[in-house]
Amino acid sequence: DSGVTQTPKHLITATGQRVTLRCSPRSGDLSVYWYQQSLDQGLQFLIQYYNGEERAKGNILERFSAQQFPDLHSELNLSSLELGDSALYFCASSPTVSGNYGYTFGSGTRLTVV
Amino acid sequence: TQLLEQSPQFLSIQEGENLTVYCNSSSVFSSLQWYRQEPGEGPVLLVTVVTGGEVKKLKRLTFQFGDARKDSSLHITAAQPGDTGLYLCAGRQGAQKLVFGQGTRLTINP
Repeated sequence: DSGVTQTPKHLITATGQRVTLRCSPRSGDLSVYWYQQSLDQGLQFLIQYYNGEERAKGNILERFSAQQFPDLHSELNLSSLELGDSALYFCASSPTVSGNYGYTFGSGTRLTVV
Repeated sequence: TQLLEQSPQFLSIQEGENLTVYCNSSSVFSSLQWYRQEPGEGPVLLVTVVTGGEVKKLKRLTFQFGDARKDSSLHITAAQPGDTGLYLCAGRQGAQKLVFGQGTRLTINP
């Protein structure tokens, strides 16, 4: 158990639908990162939050949004889902945004869009 | 275009052999990390290298950061089936988020 909790572990949904992925960071970590992993794209950075505020954005689609709540948990919302959105979505956390801390990853949410 | 290029992408060798995985970039990084990911799990941090030319050892794994801080290598001695997994390098530029390479999928056959 890494200390980063992601739910649900698996999600199957139809095209056009909307889903919410949830992440609780490791205790004491203030920064949360979302990554998408697919077979041909590797780990792609989506978005980062630090203590409730958005700090960096990657190649996140406009159909996707995220937020970090006062208790530091984060949610990634994916809407108007397409077949190509099927992937593993990982959440990671770190104590701060600077320094050489490693990321602690959750076990991921496997999203399948049918 | 991938900021960090890993090679080889796939490697399958016999137990007991040695191997080296490379992570290359044209960009300079303030630090570089290596992760290992097993099926159904998230990546797990193995090591962080910070100083150009730095060498770190973790049992049978040796990590090196290039002098110019643009590249890194991972060498495994006497590979074991338990070393099987996806090895990812990740670089940080300043206070920016980590950028990951595509990964090297390593299979060690008994």
